[in-house]
Amino acid sequence: GIQVEQSPPDLILQEGANSTLRCNFSDSVNNLQWFHQNPWGQLINLFYIPSGTKQNGRLSATTVATERYSLLYISSSQTTDSGVYFCAVDPYSGAGSYQLTFGKGTKLSVIP
Amino acid sequence: GAGVSQSPSNKVTEKGKDVELRCDPISGHTALYWYRQSLGQGLEFLIYFQGNSAPDKSGLPSDRFSAERTGGSVSTLTIQRTQQEDSAVYLCASSLSRDRGNGYGYTFGSGTRLTVV
Repeated sequence: GIQVEQSPPDLILQEGANSTLRCNFSDSVNNLQWFHQNPWGQLINLFYIPSGTKQNGRLSATTVATERYSLLYISSSQTTDSGVYFCAVDPYSGAGSYQLTFGKGTKLSVIP
Repeated sequence: GAGVSQSPSNKVTEKGKDVELRCDPISGHTALYWYRQSLGQGLEFLIYFQGNSAPDKSGLPSDRFSAERTGGSVSTLTIQRTQQEDSAVYLCASSLSRDRGNGYGYTFGSGTRLTVV
């Protein structure tokens, strides 16, 4: 099956700093999503981004589908950004499957 | 509703008992998914429902697991004869209907934390 690798596995930031999280995937995808899981366990969809660039406030994401990677940028980080960031992909199988394969996540801790 | 609702939020059960987990998706979302999250395995796909089509059950780990979706809305995940390895957080998500090249993001519920003792 498709492999999803996220880096770094852990990241500690001072409040106000910027960061880039990376997601590499091993095959073509027709669905790529970034999620934030807060310390209470709630998974929040940040972006649906199988290709191109999107921005939402301090967050932005870019997926280069031909090179099989996606980047999540967090600017001016806040303590509320702490949690685990997951990249998830749906590989193009042509068989109508709609399973997301999740990476292991990047655990972000923002300290004041 | 405004979000995906799951119940119960926590469930402790004895090994060998059956459990039922409920998911109420966002109104109008025709796609519904079950995933589970455990420390050792991360987030794993279980089952996918899309409208009236036959569900994709390829992620169910054993025949003790089953799920149904009534009236295209509420879904129930049933685990029979629970085992300790079934302990995990069971997450439900829903999305708008989609086809190739026209996808939508998932909205997840808060999950049901299942503990088998």
